Amino acid sequence: KNQVEQSPQSLIILEGKNCTLQCNYTVSPFSNLRWYKQDTGRGPVSLTIMTFSQNTKSNGRYTATLDADTKQSSLHITASQLSDSASYICVASGHYQLIWGAGTKLIIKP
Amino acid sequence: NAGVTQTPKFQVLKTGQSMTLQCAQDMNHEYMSWYRQDPGMGLRLIHYSVGAGITDQGEVPNGYNVSRSTTEDFPLRLLSAAPSQTSVYFCASSYRPLSSYNSPLHFGNGTRLTVT
Repeated sequence: KNQVEQSPQSLIILEGKNCTLQCNYTVSPFSNLRWYKQDTGRGPVSLTIMTFSQNTKSNGRYTATLDADTKQSSLHITASQLSDSASYICVASGHYQLIWGAGTKLIIKP
Repeated sequence: NAGVTQTPKFQVLKTGQSMTLQCAQDMNHEYMSWYRQDPGMGLRLIHYSVGAGITDQGEVPNGYNVSRSTTEDFPLRLLSAAPSQTSVYFCASSYRPLSSYNSPLHFGNGTRLTVT
């Protein structure tokens, strides 16, 4: 069964600290891996898209990694800011379908 | 450039009532889709369209209808609302079909629907 699992479900860190969110997927055939940021009360916004041949991709303070062999991805946030408080959703793309994770809720405390 | 616009933002319906959720995009995207988001679950695809006049069912289509008469608009109709349809509904569009590399989905800000 195609599925995406994210961990942790929620995370609280202090402003300025780094954090890493995890994503495991079982999607076949696999095309690409995406990360979205969803602020409370808003729609998801794309952060990165990586194909199976890409190991890492950065977008400002966000760095995503992908290991297609182990079917794992991570999103690393550097020097967190209050505006990083949001849900982060991992999405695995297969053949003409997107499989969405339930998200990790990140709270940044001052 | 407004992106993807959804109306209304909030709606309360009684069981059995019908309504239409509106979605419009001004990016000339061919692909449009409707998702529902429920607590603790990933987004689930309801219906999608790859161009004007073409629609297809997603993962959870029962109880919903769509049409695509123009490139810009993709309304979602609830035929006879049920409490199980209480959810947040998102419309999304992209330049290419949903699994294409480097073609992210652009989302509206959602309609929060409660069915009592």
